[in-house]
Amino acid sequence: QKEVEQNSGPLSVPEGAIASLNCTYSDRGSQSFFWYRQYSGKSPELIMSIYSNGDKEDGRFTAQLNKASQYVSLLIRDSQPSDSATYLCAVKGVTDSWGKLQFGAGTQVVVTP
Amino acid sequence: GAGVSQSPSNKVTEKGKDVELRCDPISGHTALYWYRQSLGQGLEFLIYFQGNSAPDKSGLPSDRFSAERTGGSVSTLTIQRTQQEDSAVYLCASSFRPRGKETQYFGPGTRLLVL
Repeated sequence: QKEVEQNSGPLSVPEGAIASLNCTYSDRGSQSFFWYRQYSGKSPELIMSIYSNGDKEDGRFTAQLNKASQYVSLLIRDSQPSDSATYLCAVKGVTDSWGKLQFGAGTQVVVTP
Repeated sequence: GAGVSQSPSNKVTEKGKDVELRCDPISGHTALYWYRQSLGQGLEFLIYFQGNSAPDKSGLPSDRFSAERTGGSVSTLTIQRTQQEDSAVYLCASSFRPRGKETQYFGPGTRLLVL
């Protein structure tokens, strides 16, 4: 079982709709969770971080964390063609103290005009 | 300030040759990480530096891979006797501190192709 799992997609979303991305993780003690966006041929860039249960909103992005269910999600509201990218879920596990990130394989999002 | 920089941006080499990949972290960042991303795959952790020490080398795939960091700054990842399966994008990231809520910022990566 992979430590961080995401649906690979592609997730096709009409422009203006909400894109919903899901991520599950296996390390129950994990404390820090990150969503990175990666455009084709580019390096990952951080778009959201979340550490506490509940929702965290930043512009059109909302991250949701449920530690009991070991689940973190990302919502993209009013999706734009520029949101077309691969979204990587990353988890900083408690079992490893050096801060390395465990990444999911990423979900490809395609926003269609 | 400047972000994480990496060089070269692209490297094509022949099987069996050695390559060196360089990472320049954000100034003041003590933690430095190397990751590898193969085509269509997620990021795979290779090695972590705190200062000039590497307390976690658990991700290095074989003894052909080594890395060092000098002056608490620049890091070099060396791959000896390259194999075709080493072809990937090698990404470097740095953070102010390794633990807790510190964000890792990624460089542009080095795209390595082994023929």
